[in-house]
Amino acid sequence: TQLLEQSPQFLSIQEGENLTVYCNSSSVFSSLQWYRQEPGEGPVLLVTVVTGGEVKKLKRLTFQFGDARKDSSLHITAAQPGDTGLYLCAGPLIQGAQKLVFGQGTRLTINP
Amino acid sequence: GAVVSQHPSWVICKSGTSVKIECRSLDFQATTMFWYRQFPKQSLMLMATSNEGSKATYEQGVEKDKFLINHASLTLSTLTVTSAHPEDSSFYICSTASGITDTQYFGPGTRLTVL
Repeated sequence: TQLLEQSPQFLSIQEGENLTVYCNSSSVFSSLQWYRQEPGEGPVLLVTVVTGGEVKKLKRLTFQFGDARKDSSLHITAAQPGDTGLYLCAGPLIQGAQKLVFGQGTRLTINP
Repeated sequence: GAVVSQHPSWVICKSGTSVKIECRSLDFQATTMFWYRQFPKQSLMLMATSNEGSKATYEQGVEKDKFLINHASLTLSTLTVTSAHPEDSSFYICSTASGITDTQYFGPGTRLTVL
């Protein structure tokens, strides 16, 4: 059983298009993190969302934490080839425990 | 965010040999580090939690005698894959916890190939 369900798991779109990646759970999380990983490298933190309903923007990336803190989304506007990578959502099983559970990941390919 | 390094970045070894991977927290003292493995096109799988000065906590199904973890200082944790076999070939990644939030910062990973 996957505690964090990411969808879609694979996405290939053309440069300039918009997209949304979802991270859903039946459990409440105290926070959720989004990471991007490129081949042969470790995941790099993009954002941490903590408050229900919170929206954070990172250039063309918009992250939202659901009001009930059970889900999150990542929206990319005008995708560019440099956005290609594996996007992972993750959250702590227990608040303050530091151990994270990860979603399956979304492999995003932006075609020029 | 924290800066984490790993060494080596890649290693090829013969079956039956042991391989040590180092994970260093470069800019803060990490009482807790985590070790993950990742198979191609898959997400990260937590192997163990490394605690400075005490024994590591292993996830279910991970053989603690095969994957030895030592966290002797606040800046260094090591993972030793003992008597490696081809099925141990994988991408191994470590991370440190910030201690303030639940955010983790990851090393660049180590690609292990066992022939």
